[in-house]
Amino acid sequence: EPEVTQTPSHQVTQMGQEVILRCVPISNHLYFYWYRQILGQKVEFLVSFYNNEISEKSEIFDDQFSVERPDGSNFTLKIRSTKLEDSAMYFCASSTGRKAFFGQGTRLTVV
Amino acid sequence: KQEVTQIPAALSVPEGENLVLNCSFTDSAIYNLQWFRQDPGKGLTSLLLIQSSQREQTSGRLNASLDKSSGRSTLYIAASQPGDSATYLCAVGGSGAGSYQLTFGKGTKLSVIP
Repeated sequence: EPEVTQTPSHQVTQMGQEVILRCVPISNHLYFYWYRQILGQKVEFLVSFYNNEISEKSEIFDDQFSVERPDGSNFTLKIRSTKLEDSAMYFCASSTGRKAFFGQGTRLTVV
Repeated sequence: KQEVTQIPAALSVPEGENLVLNCSFTDSAIYNLQWFRQDPGKGLTSLLLIQSSQREQTSGRLNASLDKSSGRSTLYIAASQPGDSATYLCAVGGSGAGSYQLTFGKGTKLSVIP
């Protein structure tokens, strides 16, 4: 079965640093998403991306966050100036508008 | 705003038992509903997808039902095995323009005792 691939699997960064989380969605999918899961809490929606632009974003997705699809295959989430509370598992997902497929996640630790 | 609740939060059963996990949601105007499995520190594996027009879906020992009008879904696991031990997440799909975002419940942590 096709997979969503995320890199790196784990990233440790200093508070205030910029991080870029990378994802390769499934090739024929049209909708791309980022979600996050703080330890012990629910998986939360951050942003959806369709037709080369953000289609929806949550209140969590503030000016510190941005997404990009720099080429035909990659989908990235950038956090401009990380805070301790950004420590979480970040999941990328893609879909055709029906079933969503999730990557294995990137565990971000901000120290 | 859609809220998804899963009951119970944790469940421990002996191997071989049949079990039911419950999910409820507050807004019945959903596009679809997915059940996922999450192993500790791992990603989300999709188990079953039910479109809003459907009543149930089956895959192997798993059966998921959907009652949109009452805002409920159940995941039935037959003849449970130790390998079924994981957290099961219910996620409800909305249908905003250009987005089919999912709203998740907190999950039911299942332990199947050999």
